[in-house]
Amino acid sequence: GAVVSQHPSRVICKSGTSVKIECRSLDFQATTMFWYRQFPKKSLMLMATSNEGSKATYEQGVEKDKFLINHASLTLSTLTVTSAHPEDSSFYICSAGGQTEAFFGQGTRLTVV
Amino acid sequence: AQKITQTQPGMFVQEKEAVTLDCTYDTSDPSYGLFWYKQPSSGEMIFLIYQGSYDQQNATEGRYSLNFQKARKSANLVISASQLGDSAMYFCAMRSPLQGAQKLVFGQGTRLTINP
Repeated sequence: GAVVSQHPSRVICKSGTSVKIECRSLDFQATTMFWYRQFPKKSLMLMATSNEGSKATYEQGVEKDKFLINHASLTLSTLTVTSAHPEDSSFYICSAGGQTEAFFGQGTRLTVV
Repeated sequence: AQKITQTQPGMFVQEKEAVTLDCTYDTSDPSYGLFWYKQPSSGEMIFLIYQGSYDQQNATEGRYSLNFQKARKSANLVISASQLGDSAMYFCAMRSPLQGAQKLVFGQGTRLTINP
């Protein structure tokens, strides 16, 4: 069964509003989780590494004030897209896991109108 | 720099045939892990198989096997007896300590279509 759960799976929001996406590890503790973004017909690009109890580490070119990450517990990381614009529309997906595996959430398809 | 390359944008295969999806990688780290994922149209990422750089044998998981050629830096995925449900995007990914933590770097992906 799924070991990483992501919610919501699909969201439509108005331009200028903020959207929060949750990523939960269901049967293990994850001190580190990862957030990826995927454009249509493209590969997954790492946005940031979410660290439990400390600040997230963002990849080059990713605006940390735009994409707020909070990892307040060992089983939950959240990504908030602030003041969303149509160009933020994309597929966002989180992952967590051990040495020889990396499990992904179901993904969130965000549409900003 | 760590890099993963999948040179086949699309592959078309007849049902029940075997198919090989190519993946080459580049890293200076002697310790690394290679992953293959399947992504159907729903978007979920389904873990298929893992190969560690120090593993002596090629990884196998049911109909999936990984043709690991370390000297060539290739990690091709072989799917035997393909099924219609195998139609999806397939991504090769690499993880290494040099990249930091446990994050994955993905290839461009290959869209596999199984024809009846």
